[in-house]
Amino acid sequence: GQNIDQPTEMTATEGAIVQINCTYQTSGFNGLFWYQQHAGEAPTFLSYNVLDGLEEKGRFSSFLSRSKGYSYLLLKELQMKDSASYLCAVMDSNYQLIWGAGTKLIIKP
Amino acid sequence: SQTIHQWPATLVQPVGSPLSLECTVEGTSNPNLYWYRQAAGRGLQLLFYSVGIGQISSEVPQNLSASRPQDRQFILSSKKLLLSDSGFYLCAWSPTIGTGPDTQYFGPGTRLTVL
Repeated sequence: GQNIDQPTEMTATEGAIVQINCTYQTSGFNGLFWYQQHAGEAPTFLSYNVLDGLEEKGRFSSFLSRSKGYSYLLLKELQMKDSASYLCAVMDSNYQLIWGAGTKLIIKP
Repeated sequence: SQTIHQWPATLVQPVGSPLSLECTVEGTSNPNLYWYRQAAGRGLQLLFYSVGIGQISSEVPQNLSASRPQDRQFILSSKKLLLSDSGFYLCAWSPTIGTGPDTQYFGPGTRLTVL
C-alpha cells in the first residue's frame, strides 16, 4: 500500500530552527509537496520538490532524497505565526496526491 | 490570478437531510477539481476528482456524490446525511496535467456539522 509518515506533533521555541521529517512509500513518484494549515483554515501551498536536493524559500526550505523516500521541511527563525499543521503529500504514478496526516507544530515564546 | 470560492462557510444539518456544497474557480480554464474531507485532527481524504465537465472519479464509496455541470463549477451532494459526514470539506483545483507542476490550491472550506 501507499504510506506517508510524519510526526504527529512537535514543539519548538520562537526564534529557533525546526525540521519536520516525512518518509513515504508510494506507487511511483511525481513530486512531493508541503502545505501549511492553520487551525480551522484551508491548507496553503509551501513547496514542491521533484529532484533531489534542497529548495529554499525565505525562512522555509524543503529537502528531498528520492532514493531514501525522505523529505524534510526546515523552518528557520521561528515566529509565533508559524504555529500550524504541516502536511506532506506525494504525487504517485497516477498523478494522485497521497497525503500524510500532518505534523502539528507548537511554537513557544 | 486564480481564485477559488466555496460556500457556505459553515453548515449545521440534521441527520437524513440533503446536502449541496458548491465550489467555483476563477481565472483558469479546464482545471482539475477535487473534493476532500478532513475529520477533526486527521489528514485529508480525497472524495472525488474531475478532469473535465461531466467527468467524475470517486475515490471512496459512500452516500456522497459529485457533479461538474460547468468547467469551473464543482458540486458535492448527498440525499441523506449521516452523522459520520461531519467534517471540513475542501475543494481544490490544479492545472491540467502537462501544463506545469500539479500543485493543488484549496478553497476556504465548508465546516459541516451533522446533528
